[in-house]
Amino acid sequence: DGGITQSPKYLFRKEGQNVTLSCEQNLNHDAMYWYRQDPGQGLRLIYYSQIVNDFQKGDIAEGYSVSREKKESFPLTVTSAQKNPTAFYLCASAGNVQETQYFGPGTRLLVL
Amino acid sequence: KQEVTQIPAALSVPEGENLVLNCSFTDSAIYNLQWFRQDPGKGLTSLLLIQSSQREQTSGRLNASLDKSSGRSTLYIAASQPGDSATYLCAVKGTGNQFYFGTGTSLTVIP
Repeated sequence: DGGITQSPKYLFRKEGQNVTLSCEQNLNHDAMYWYRQDPGQGLRLIYYSQIVNDFQKGDIAEGYSVSREKKESFPLTVTSAQKNPTAFYLCASAGNVQETQYFGPGTRLLVL
Repeated sequence: KQEVTQIPAALSVPEGENLVLNCSFTDSAIYNLQWFRQDPGKGLTSLLLIQSSQREQTSGRLNASLDKSSGRSTLYIAASQPGDSATYLCAVKGTGNQFYFGTGTSLTVIP
């Protein structure tokens, strides 16, 4: 069964803590993306990767970091430098430029 | 930078009505435009993808059109049903391989 999985579904972060959100895909897609969604706003791009071991900053990369060591995996770390991390985080993947994006179910990050 | 706008922000219609959702974008240099559906607390589901060379795409009761020169797309939903209630988002893919999203239209279909 092909698709994108994200874990955990809910994540709680304490002050000063780094947390990592998981994103895995078995669609054999080269490109992967991380978005942040806040109420009343559209999705905003955090980071994207078009190929293994390469990634680019999106519009709101400050306070976040990523890695792309495997084609299937694109984890996102929310660092302590991100002062307002509470949001819904969505991971997506896509094949070539002509193809659609496929989204995971999302992770909701809350601050304790 | 590409800006994507969706109007209206919210829409409420009685069941059975036909409706149109609007999406506009500022930079016509796009690869494609997609319409997505998002249910509360869930990820996005792709509904229709229109390539930059195409004018429209249809899937069941859904029809999406694209006028690249004027920077506009519409999503037409025929014979709306309560199950169509969701937020609908459009996204354009630019030449830099990034996707730019609108803020969405929240649709409620009243039985």
